[in-house]
Formats: sequence, structure tokens, C-alpha cells
Amino acid sequence: SAVISQKPSRDICQRGTSLTIQCQVDSQVTMMFWYRQQPGQSLTLIATANQGSEATYESGFVIDKFPISRPNLTFSTLTVSNMSPEDSSIYLCSVEFWDTQYFGPGTRLTVL
Amino acid sequence: AQSVTQPDIHITVSEGASLELRCNYSYGATPYLFWYVQSPGQGLQLLLKYFSGDTLVQGIKGFEAEFKRSQSSFNLRKPSVHWSDAAEYFCAVAPNFGNEKLTFGTGTRLTIIP
Repeated sequence: SAVISQKPSRDICQRGTSLTIQCQVDSQVTMMFWYRQQPGQSLTLIATANQGSEATYESGFVIDKFPISRPNLTFSTLTVSNMSPEDSSIYLCSVEFWDTQYFGPGTRLTVL
Repeated sequence: AQSVTQPDIHITVSEGASLELRCNYSYGATPYLFWYVQSPGQGLQLLLKYFSGDTLVQGIKGFEAEFKRSQSSFNLRKPSVHWSDAAEYFCAVAPNFGNEKLTFGTGTRLTIIP
């Protein structure tokens, strides 16, 4: 498995602003994923981030709203842009090892 | 596309009692199957997984799950629950050619009563 950390663990933001979430893993991995978990809901995949290529977004998610960077094999960022209260969620990154995804602790975002 | 159904939104069990959480999937072949647990305020922790072979898989924390192809099910069980098992449990499925699209069920919240 892998040790995955996320920063920040939580934040409260004003509408119209942006927040960048960092995901760091202690091993080199090819595939990293970003998920959103809205209050009381299950997880929804936002995008898949492979190092050296553009992120692949799922239906309903666009790069302008959720730009992703993947500068190397151990790090990725997700930015939530022009936030609204509907963006209040837990955002989780995950990595794949041997066909299994392991998750970070999540970032709890509240937008006022 | 694959899908996952967890029919029980909320289950309450007495401490020391047995537990079974239901999971049904839809996929054209045998998928990869997972159970994750999310404690309050935490990320997801992998409990166990099934790829192939023995249909009864053992996981961490005393959990096990049984894959039943005929019923398209992958139910999670524990013979005796502890108060620390109170959490949200998610069943997930992925295509059997790789793990790029992990689809989650809606989750089952487990409450433990003394």
C-alpha cells in the first residue's frame, strides 16, 4: 500500500474564491484520482491524473472548474475554482497500487 | 457500465452481535470487488478485496466477504462487532482489466449499541 497525505485537512472559504488541495504519496505511482464526497453521499470520481499527461475528467466535471496538476509521480493538486456553497464537500485523492486504490484522509471544504 | 447497490442505508447492531452488510453489483463479467470503511471525519480504508480464486476473502479487523456469482453479490460479514466498528461502509466495483473506474455504492451506515 502507500501512505497518502492531503493538505489542508479542512478549510472554510468564501464564495467566489479558489482553493488548491495537495496530495502527496510516499511512493511513485502512475495513476492518481480525485473524488468528491458531498454531505451524506457516496464518492464520485472527478478526474484521473496521470503524470505527464492531461487529466481525464468524468462527465459533469470540467477543467475550468477543477484544474488538476500532476508534476511528478508522488504529487498532485486539485483546485476548486470560483467556489459556491454547492462545492462544500470532502475531496479525496487516491492512488492505485496493484489494481487497488488507496485513499488519502480527505479535505473537508465548507464554502460560505 | 458497472453499478453497485447497497440496499441498506442504515443498520443498527448490538455490540457482540454478528453483522452482514449487503452489496449487489452489475457488470458483464466478474469484476474486481472491494469493501472500504470510512470512520467519522476520516478517509477511506480498504477492508478487503476480491479479484479471483477463493470466493471467501478475509480482510482486516476480523471482516470477511463472500463473492457469489449466481447472486451478483459480495456481502460483508463479521461474527462479532465492536463499538469501534461504527462507521460508513462502502462497496465498490471496478472492471477486471484494471482499476481505472472504481464505482461506489451509496454506503451503509453502521451504528453499534451497547
